Amino acid sequence: DAGVIQSPRHEVTEMGQEVTLRCKPISGHDYLFWYRQTMMRGLELLIYFNNNVPIDDSGMPEDRFSAKMPNASFSTLKIQPSEPRDSAVYFCASSFAQGKYEQYFGPGTRLTVT
Amino acid sequence: GNSVTQMEGPVTLSEEAFLTINCTYTATGYPSLFWYVQYPGEGLQLLLKATKADDKGSNKGFEATYRKETTSFHLEKGSVQVSDSAVYFCALTVPYSSASKIIFGSGTRLSIRP
Repeated sequence: DAGVIQSPRHEVTEMGQEVTLRCKPISGHDYLFWYRQTMMRGLELLIYFNNNVPIDDSGMPEDRFSAKMPNASFSTLKIQPSEPRDSAVYFCASSFAQGKYEQYFGPGTRLTVT
Repeated sequence: GNSVTQMEGPVTLSEEAFLTINCTYTATGYPSLFWYVQYPGEGLQLLLKATKADDKGSNKGFEATYRKETTSFHLEKGSVQVSDSAVYFCALTVPYSSASKIIFGSGTRLSIRP
């Protein structure tokens, strides 16, 4: 299995630009999670989906952030407009509902907003 | 609510030293407990898990025992190596609860000196 795939691995953009992060979960997994990791705030859960439906988006920091999961094999996290304080590593993770909920993480996207 | 508290780092040890990273939890129901490891530049990986009281999870020489009486899940290794340098996260989830997400601790950075 290829594991969770994220793209791009690195993104550098200017303040005000739109940023789209992409994730392909492990085939057969029912849950998909988006996290943000920074030195100051640690690992934060932004939103998660079950069977492509958003279940809890209470961690999404502002309306500038949006996430979609149009099908079981693809999800996007969009930031529009981006700001320097959005600079972080964004992780996608997936899990299988029938297990004990252990999550499998992608390698992350390092976002830098200048 | 559910929460995880782990010892703050960084922890610096010499190679072949004994390692303990403390973790305690608060949870409703019967949580499953996890240790995740994050190597530099990578996403989190499941290191070990335990799903019921007195279970011992083990992997790569690391061990942790699910202690319900002390609500603890301390990570131990008898002889650490330089390659163990990473950030370690204690985590829990409550299976079959309405919130099917993992609660992570703040992470403990471990550095091993040759």
